[in-house]
Amino acid sequence: AQTVTQSQPEMSVQEAETVTLSCTYDTSESDYYLFWYKQPPSRQMILVIRQEAYKQQNATENRFSVNFQKAAKSFSLKISDSQLGDAAMYFCAYMGGNQFYFGTGTSLTVIP
Amino acid sequence: ETGVTQTPRHLVMGMTNKKSLKCEQHLGHNAMYWYKQSAKKPLELMFVYSLEERVENNSVPSRFSPECPNSSHLFLHLHTLQPEDSALYLCASSQEQGGASTGELFFGEGSRLTVL
Repeated sequence: AQTVTQSQPEMSVQEAETVTLSCTYDTSESDYYLFWYKQPPSRQMILVIRQEAYKQQNATENRFSVNFQKAAKSFSLKISDSQLGDAAMYFCAYMGGNQFYFGTGTSLTVIP
Repeated sequence: ETGVTQTPRHLVMGMTNKKSLKCEQHLGHNAMYWYKQSAKKPLELMFVYSLEERVENNSVPSRFSPECPNSSHLFLHLHTLQPEDSALYLCASSQEQGGASTGELFFGEGSRLTVL
């Protein structure tokens, strides 16, 4: 069964610094998608970044980038130059065969 | 604003009440989902509708009853719930092509349900 594990329930980062959120997953599939979603307090969950497993190049979206290690089944999110608006719950998600699996989330606090 | 609207945002109900959650998407998507979000647990998929046909229900208790009258609207009818059903219920939509999702879910803000 596919599972997604986020081992850091809470993280904090100083404003303007860099933070990395960890995610591992388990799958027997070779073709799948990985995502990081952000859920600000009392606001909608939105997609931050997406990675296709067949692409070796790590995805990047402005200050957000991933370190995708397919063999290790690891998919971490790096946030550079952290801003106050980055404070939120971050969920790692896996999609394979039209099935979505989410992790338990990491609560990120940004310290001014 | 992601184009998915949920009402009500907050709902308190007794165990004998009947209520409904509503979701509307303005994105032209052809798949809609209900998820349950509880603290410290992964999002739990409850129901999926693709092209207005229910394709999965993940063994959800019958006290939850979904309805999808068209591709833009999704309801979750609630009846004789239990206190452990208290949670944030999220609606999402996506665009499926040829039976395969393009991979991105668009979520509503959620309906916070409290069962007394």
